[in-house]
Amino acid sequence: KAGVTQTPRYLIKTRGQQVTLSCSPISGHRSVSWYQQTPGQGLQFLFEYFSETQRNKGNFPGRFSGRQFSNSRSEMNVSTLELGDSALYLCASSLKEAGTQYFGPGTRLLVL
Amino acid sequence: GENVEQHPSTLSVQEGDSAVIKCTYSDSASNYFPWYKQELGKRPQLIIDIRSNVGEKKDQRIAVTLNKTAKHFSLHITETQPEDSAVYFCAAIPSDASKIIFGSGTRLSIRP
Repeated sequence: KAGVTQTPRYLIKTRGQQVTLSCSPISGHRSVSWYQQTPGQGLQFLFEYFSETQRNKGNFPGRFSGRQFSNSRSEMNVSTLELGDSALYLCASSLKEAGTQYFGPGTRLLVL
Repeated sequence: GENVEQHPSTLSVQEGDSAVIKCTYSDSASNYFPWYKQELGKRPQLIIDIRSNVGEKKDQRIAVTLNKTAKHFSLHITETQPEDSAVYFCAAIPSDASKIIFGSGTRLSIRP
């Protein structure tokens, strides 16, 4: 099976703009989670979607939002970008809720 | 709230020696404990996992032990090799699969 894919892989934005990241899970996986990873930092959980419903949300401001479509593909949106939003954004899919995470390659976002 | 503490944050060992990374969890309902390895510039990947009905699991040079009473689990890497250099993350998932909680990561360096 094809692995988790994310687009775009790299993105440069300026402060105040908004961005949408996309994640396509492994075929058959219904759960998609999003994580933020900054240099030297761990995996900061953003949110998890399962069957188009948000199951969990981490401690991030409302500028961070997401959704999941009927084909399990997920998008994450960040509005009013700040310099501190520069990070690697990883999505992971799993067969079931909070299951073994299979990570995508990530989208590296740079906010100038 | 629930959390997973991971120690040490950095670890340097001589090639051929053993490395041990420890995690402590707070949610006694946790029953699944995966470990992920993230090499530089790559995505995290599952390397081994253990469920609460097992005390130890081995896979070649890697082993994980679980002490449910003390609520801690450890990753053991024997005969370390240069390719073991990476950041390792532990995680804990409760039986109701309500969330995944990751540790903060351990950067392991193997000295030649």
